[in-house]
Amino acid sequence: EDKVVQSPLSLVVHEGDTVTLNCSYEVTNFRSLLWYKQEKKAPTFLFMLTSSGIEKKSGRLSSILDKKELFSILNITATQTGDSAVYLCAVANAGGTSYGKLTFGQGTILTVHP
Amino acid sequence: DTAVSQTPKYLVTQMGNDKSIKCEQNLGHDTMYWYKQDSKKFLKIMFSYNNKELIINETVPNRFSPKSPDKAHLNLHINSLELGDSAVYFCASSQRRTGGYSGNTIYFGEGSWLTVV
Repeated sequence: EDKVVQSPLSLVVHEGDTVTLNCSYEVTNFRSLLWYKQEKKAPTFLFMLTSSGIEKKSGRLSSILDKKELFSILNITATQTGDSAVYLCAVANAGGTSYGKLTFGQGTILTVHP
Repeated sequence: DTAVSQTPKYLVTQMGNDKSIKCEQNLGHDTMYWYKQDSKKFLKIMFSYNNKELIINETVPNRFSPKSPDKAHLNLHINSLELGDSAVYFCASSQRRTGGYSGNTIYFGEGSWLTVV
């Protein structure tokens, strides 16, 4: 069975800190790894990673994938209170009967205090 | 305009009742999903439809029956509701691309909070 494990489960920091969120996975027919941010409602897309070693960046957020070691990290620098959310990691299957299936990790709850 | 919309947003109902959650997407996508998020925030896929055809059916009790009248709609009907069905149900959609699935096209609805009492 496909599996995605995130760590830590929760993290409390102060504004300005840098955080690293971890995601490891075991999945057949790997296609891509995705990061989502979930505040109170719908998960919103952050990054999709398909190739090892290529960093994706968006403002203060960046992410990288290691397909050999089967993990990804999400970095957030100079954290702000608005970064407080649950960060979800998910792995997508390549196709066949698992087409489009995302297997999610349990999420990391990030709390940023002023 | 909301891309993926679900109704109702909140639903409180008694055990044993039958209820439905509706979902519509206006993105022109050909694939729709139902995900369940439990109290521990674990998001898990339940069903996926591509062009009205069921393609993913995870281990979900038979009491849950999805229906896709057309590719813009995917409804979820739940019979004989149980306490353990209390969760947030997310509808989502994506467009199948040539060469396979592309994850960044998955759009989630805002969720339907179901509480069974």
